Amino acid sequence: GQQVMQIPQYQHVQEGEDFTTYCNSSTTLSNIQWYKQRPGGHPVFLIQLVKSGEVKKQKRLTFQFGEAKKNSSLHITATQTTDVGTYFCARSGGSYIPTFGRGTSLIVHP
Amino acid sequence: NAGVTQTPKFQVLKTGQSMTLQCAQDMNHEYMSWYRQDPGMGLRLIHYSVGAGITDQGEVPNGYNVSRSTTEDFPLRLLSAAPSQTSVYFCASNSRGNEQFFGPGTRLTVL
Repeated sequence: GQQVMQIPQYQHVQEGEDFTTYCNSSTTLSNIQWYKQRPGGHPVFLIQLVKSGEVKKQKRLTFQFGEAKKNSSLHITATQTTDVGTYFCARSGGSYIPTFGRGTSLIVHP
Repeated sequence: NAGVTQTPKFQVLKTGQSMTLQCAQDMNHEYMSWYRQDPGMGLRLIHYSVGAGITDQGEVPNGYNVSRSTTEDFPLRLLSAAPSQTSVYFCASNSRGNEQFFGPGTRLTVL
């Protein structure tokens, strides 16, 4: 199926540094969802973006949807050890079942 | 509400054995799906259902069967387990156009 590509696969940061993960598609997306999975846990929904150029914030997390609706990003300001985990983007297809990227694993060093 | 529940949490099988992973949701969601998660591969869709009595294949369906006789339940059957099916399996549900809710996962090892 049509996938979304996520980069980077891994990111090591020192606590307090910023972090960004990117999600790219070769085709226009109707929407993009972001999920977080803590180590040993299950994915948990963070947010859904629908509109071109949309920007949403959740405390230190900023989500963007590109103007062409082909890419999205998640930016974390001043990372904390609680941010550790894998962040997935997902596109929703015609079946309303999301297709997930491979995820970006964030490792925060105290 | 319990959300999405999965049983068992852990399972060890021998090659060739069959088993059923159970999944249930109490949110009256039309859509349910099964994913497998392997290191570096993200979440790959095995099978999904858009309502009771309707199922379809995802990206990696071979070796697995599903059925959806009720809105609540969506079991995943491994017909003849193989070591390549060692993975973490997640069941999820959602309503149309909205977020997916995931179960806690089943960690399966096939020897």
